[in-house]
Amino acid sequence: KQEVTQIPAALSVPEGENLVLNCSFTDSAIYNLQWFRQDPGKGLTSLLLIQSSQREQTSGRLNASLDKSSGRSTLYIAASQPGDSATYLCAVSSGNTGKLIFGQGTTLQVKP
Amino acid sequence: EPEVTQTPSHQVTQMGQEVILRCVPISNHLYFYWYRQILGQKVEFLVSFYNNEISEKSEIFDDQFSVERPDGSNFTLKIRSTKLEDSAMYFCASTRDRINEKLFFGSGTQLSVL
Repeated sequence: KQEVTQIPAALSVPEGENLVLNCSFTDSAIYNLQWFRQDPGKGLTSLLLIQSSQREQTSGRLNASLDKSSGRSTLYIAASQPGDSATYLCAVSSGNTGKLIFGQGTTLQVKP
Repeated sequence: EPEVTQTPSHQVTQMGQEVILRCVPISNHLYFYWYRQILGQKVEFLVSFYNNEISEKSEIFDDQFSVERPDGSNFTLKIRSTKLEDSAMYFCASTRDRINEKLFFGSGTQLSVL
């Protein structure tokens, strides 16, 4: 059974720092991995999708990597801003229905 | 930008009552999902729906739950007889391609069962 774990659970950094969020999954047979952002009381916004054949994806200040063999992904946020404060969720798609299995998230606070 | 729309944003109901949560997925999407998130817990998969039928459901999605796409635009989740433990945020999601494209989520319906 696929399990997704995210470390750390919470992170507080000063504005401008580069930071790394970690995600690990137990079954390497995945179709894709997505990183989501969730603001309090709101829905989830997909930030990046990495297909199983890819190693990384970039969007602006965000870069996500995928190492399927070791069951790991990282989300790198460059030059963090207070507006980046949110919970970041990692999710993997293991079956052909598109079902996602989520980690518990990392809550990020960027202080001005 | 197109978005997934969910109504209502909040629903309060008495235990044992039926509730229907409504969603309008993005118009050219083909795959539809319901997820839920109990306060402080992980987002959990409930059900996936494609070509007018359920393609996968979780253990949570028992006989008390059902989904429908009644008119080609709406996608509903019905809970027949609500329990206290059904209290959660329920998210609808859709995508055009379940493998290669991002999943788009609605802003959720907060269901409170008293």
